[in-house]
Amino acid sequence: SQKIEQNSEALNIQEGKTATLTCNYTNYSPAYLQWYRQDPGRGPVFLLLIRENEKEKRKERLKVTFDTTLKQSLFHITASQPADSATYLCALDDSGAGSYQLTFGKGTKLSVIP
Amino acid sequence: NAGVTQTPKFRILKIGQSMTLQCTQDMNHNYMYWYRQDPGMGLKLIYYSVGAGITDKGEVPNGYNVSRSTTEDFPLRLELAAPSQTSVYFCASSYSRGNEQFFGPGTRLTVL
Repeated sequence: SQKIEQNSEALNIQEGKTATLTCNYTNYSPAYLQWYRQDPGRGPVFLLLIRENEKEKRKERLKVTFDTTLKQSLFHITASQPADSATYLCALDDSGAGSYQLTFGKGTKLSVIP
Repeated sequence: NAGVTQTPKFRILKIGQSMTLQCTQDMNHNYMYWYRQDPGMGLKLIYYSVGAGITDKGEVPNGYNVSRSTTEDFPLRLELAAPSQTSVYFCASSYSRGNEQFFGPGTRLTVL
């Protein structure tokens, strides 16, 4: 069966450290993978998209990697700040199987402690 | 640009009632989506549309209907509301498949 697993429901880290969130998938053939941020009571906000032929993408303090052999994406926030506290969602398509709609993981709730 | 707007923000329905959740986007996006999000769960796709007049079912379409008569609007209709439809509903849009999705603020629906 198909699964998207994000490493843990909650992750606590100290301010200034690097947060690393994991997204693993089973039985998907994605052409791309996206990461979103969701704050309580609000809709998700897009952060980064990485395609299957890209190994790494960066945007300011954010970095995403995509390993289609391991079927895993890592999402890094460097020099984390309390304002980075939120739930982070990964999402991917299954275009290799003809499905182009996004399926979302359950998310990881990140808390950055001052 | 207002982006994606949704109304209402909150609603309480009684079992068996019907309602329409409104969604409008002003970005001229062809693709629009309806998701529901239950506590501790990921977003589940209900219906999507790739352009005016074209809609298709997502993962959890039962109990819902949609229409897309214009590029801007994508209303979601609930007929005969059931407690299982208690959830937060998000509308989203994108320029095309494979592009980032822009989400609305959500509608929190409770069915009692």
